[in-house]
Amino acid sequence: GESVGLHLPTLSVQEGDNSIINCAYSNSASDYFIWYKQESGKGPQFIIDIRSNMDKRQGQRVTVLLNKTVKHLSLQIAATQPGDSAVYFCAENPNSGYALNFGKGTSLLVTP
Amino acid sequence: EAGVAQSPRYKIIEKRQSVAFWCNPISGHATLYWYQQILGQGPKLLIQFQNNGVVDDSQLPKDRFSAERLKGVDSTLKIQPAKLEDSAVYLCASSLVEGGGTEAFFGQGTRLTVV
Repeated sequence: GESVGLHLPTLSVQEGDNSIINCAYSNSASDYFIWYKQESGKGPQFIIDIRSNMDKRQGQRVTVLLNKTVKHLSLQIAATQPGDSAVYFCAENPNSGYALNFGKGTSLLVTP
Repeated sequence: EAGVAQSPRYKIIEKRQSVAFWCNPISGHATLYWYQQILGQGPKLLIQFQNNGVVDDSQLPKDRFSAERLKGVDSTLKIQPAKLEDSAVYLCASSLVEGGGTEAFFGQGTRLTVV
C-alpha cells in the first residue's frame, strides 16, 4: 500500500549547524502534512504543518518544504540545539476526514 | 489548556492476560485516535472516533482488541488476550475538528510490556 517513508534513519549534526530531515510520500492525494518531534518517553509533539497548496512554510527556527512534483517533504532546523535531539516523524493525511499516516522516523542527534 | 491524559503510564502483563488503557482527550475535541507505536517505528493507527462513533477501525485486530468512547469523551482500549507482539506504546490523540487536515495532539502514551 502507499506509505510515508524517510530517507535517513539517523542524522548527527553539530550544535549550531543547520539540520535537514527528508521524507518521501507516495500518495498524491495527500493534502496535509505535519512534522512531529518525539522525545524519549513522550508522545509526538507538533512542530509545523503545511497544506498541499503551499510549497514552503516557516516557523520559529524551522522551515518545511513541500515538493509535490517529486512527492518530497523536508524539515529544516536552523542553528540546531541539543534540545532538538529527538526522533522526527513526517505524517500525511491521505484522505480528508481520516487520521494521519506516519512514516518511520529519523533520529536526530545534536553533538556539542 | 490541559493536554491529552492517559493512564497507566506503564503496564507489564503476562501473555494471555487482559489489559485496559484509558484516555481523556482535550476538552472539546471531537475526534479521538488510538495509535500503536512499536519500538523504532512510527505510530500506527488502530482506531479513530468521531464523537462516540467509529470512523476507521480497519487496522484494529478485532479478535483481541476493542475500544469504546461512551458519551463521546473518554475512551478505553482493551486487549484480551494479550500476545507478546502487543508490546508497544499505545498513544491516544485528539483533534478539534473532524480528523484530517488538522493537528492531532498526543498524550504521553502507555508503555505495555507483554512477557
